[in-house]
Amino acid sequence: DSGVTQTPKHLITATGQRVTLRCSPRSGDLSVYWYQQSLDQGLQFLIQYYNGEERAKGNILERFSAQQFPDLHSELNLSSLELGDSALYFCASSVEGSQETQYFGPGTRLLVL
Amino acid sequence: DQQVKQNSPSLSVQEGRISILNCDYTNSMFDYFLWYKKYPAEGPTFLISISSIKDKNEDGRFTVFLNKSAKHLSLHIVPSQPGDSAVYFCAAKWGAQKLVFGQGTRLTINP
Repeated sequence: DSGVTQTPKHLITATGQRVTLRCSPRSGDLSVYWYQQSLDQGLQFLIQYYNGEERAKGNILERFSAQQFPDLHSELNLSSLELGDSALYFCASSVEGSQETQYFGPGTRLLVL
Repeated sequence: DQQVKQNSPSLSVQEGRISILNCDYTNSMFDYFLWYKKYPAEGPTFLISISSIKDKNEDGRFTVFLNKSAKHLSLHIVPSQPGDSAVYFCAAKWGAQKLVFGQGTRLTINP
């Protein structure tokens, strides 16, 4: 158990819909990262937040957005969903924003039908 | 542009033998490298890391070797155990930049 929690574990929705994935970092960690893992693909970095502020952006679509709240939990919002958005979405956290060692949550499996 | 590559999608090793997982990178700016292990239905778990100022780091059965001139990283597991069966990802970064992950190698340890 990494100490990072993600909800929900599974999500099934239809194209065009909007969903919100939630992540709670390890106690004391200020930085949260979001990754997408599609079938047979590596982990693709989406976005990083550090203490409430966006720190780095990766291959995140404009239809996707994220935020980190004062209690340090984070939400990833996916809108206008397409079939290709079906993937595992992982959240990770680290103490600082240096990303040296990230601790991953169990992931949310999103299926868009 | 795949900056971190794991060219072997899968590897099968007999229990007790050495497992060697390889990773190549293209960006000479990378200064920190990590290996993560992932079981099905779980998130990746940090395994071991190495700074670019070193060429070897050891932690129990796991050793990571870094060859900067060849831009090559390897993870050695010895002796291999059935519980080591998982997908292994290498990752790299420079400075405060984002981690870049490889595609992963599925390691199967056979009894």
